Amino acid sequence: GNSVTQMEGPVTLSEEAFLTINCTYTATGYPSLFWYVQYPGEGLQLLLKATKADDKGSNKGFEATYRKETTSFHLEKGSVQVSDSAVYFCALSDQGGGNKLTFGTGTQLKVEL
Amino acid sequence: GAVVSQHPSWVICKSGTSVKIECRSLDFQATTMFWYRQFPKQSLMLMATSNEGSKATYEQGVEKDKFLINHASLTLSTLTVTSAHPEDSSFYICSAHHASGGADTQYFGPGTRLTVL
Repeated sequence: GNSVTQMEGPVTLSEEAFLTINCTYTATGYPSLFWYVQYPGEGLQLLLKATKADDKGSNKGFEATYRKETTSFHLEKGSVQVSDSAVYFCALSDQGGGNKLTFGTGTQLKVEL
Repeated sequence: GAVVSQHPSWVICKSGTSVKIECRSLDFQATTMFWYRQFPKQSLMLMATSNEGSKATYEQGVEKDKFLINHASLTLSTLTVTSAHPEDSSFYICSAHHASGGADTQYFGPGTRLTVL
């Protein structure tokens, strides 16, 4: 079956530091890959997505590249802000957004001044 | 972006009672909606897939008679927790699939916190 593995948190960074949150996956075929963010007290929001190999999803300074050869979709940001503090979930679906999502366990990010 | 609402945002009920949670897609039609459950500091676990006009598809281990799902229109799905017990206390989240206009993404509601006393 499908599975998503994320690095365990919490990850604590100083403001303006570089962020990487690792995500690897196991799936049959060619899944679509997603990063969702959950701010404290709020629901999940789609951060970015990629639907085929070598695609790069980007939004709000965050980027992730679909690497089929390493089955990875690592999330990166060059300079984090305190407002980026949240829980980040990597997810995949077999056939695009309309199919059920398999989530990783989430990685909590804390950004301090 | 697309908006999905849930109502209520939180509910407290007595053991043995039933609770209904609504999930609405506000600015798009969704033939497919999903219901998830999230435990503290854990990931989302898919409970069921709700298809407009047909029966929901439940994940293994989810009791369909306990968690009743109705998707009567293209903008509304409901989850009813019947005869709720304290172990049903959790954060319930819905998502709606936005497929038109080139979109192919699930948009999530803000969640409903259920506490069963």
